[in-house]
Amino acid sequence: DIQMTQSPSSLSASVGDRVTITCRASQSISSYLNWYQQKPGKAPKLLIYAASNLQSGVPSRFSGSGSGTDFTLTISSLQPEDFATYYCQQSYSTTRTFGQGTTVEIK
Amino acid sequence: QLQLQESGPGLVKPSETLSLTCAVSGGSISSSTYYWGWIRQPPGKGLDWIASVYYSGGTYYNSSLKSRVTISLDTSKNQFSLKLSSVTAADTAVYYCARDHTGSGIHWGQGTLVTVSS
Repeated sequence: DIQMTQSPSSLSASVGDRVTITCRASQSISSYLNWYQQKPGKAPKLLIYAASNLQSGVPSRFSGSGSGTDFTLTISSLQPEDFATYYCQQSYSTTRTFGQGTTVEIK
Repeated sequence: QLQLQESGPGLVKPSETLSLTCAVSGGSISSSTYYWGWIRQPPGKGLDWIASVYYSGGTYYNSSLKSRVTISLDTSKNQFSLKLSSVTAADTAVYYCARDHTGSGIHWGQGTLVTVSS
């Protein structure tokens, strides 16, 4: 199975900060990488698909980049509603896998 | 608008079989290009992909769960199901059903908590 490793596992940031989360795949997955946001008690929500495509309705402060094995999710100016846990997920293999998650906390 | 709704017992005894169904509305599970799958999340932990079934019937399983899991489609009822046998407390989790597209990500159900306890 393809292993997905996110870093950091958690971070503290302030409103207005630029935040970057990294996801690394154990083998090349081309651009088959998706990002999700999850808030407590809720199902995950798709933010970015195919590495860099913004899902409809998602604010433009979210962006994704990367290909191959290394990917990045960036929040350009952190807003109060962005404090949540973020997961990457590969869809290159028919056996899907997720990263372990990155929790963004209020500083 | 696509909606996915999980249903099944909220409490299962150890060693028994967990059975869940996902009813799909606003779309057909026979539509090409989609996988229909299950993902779980133990309390306080991350997301764990369990299995998926392709619209044509092909099935794919998490290697760590493969010996205990069965996923299937019921096109007549526009739903799909999960069975997980020989459950233990470690299988306690919120179980999400999902529509999965290789190039455009996962659309999630709301999730259902299943507790394994005697």
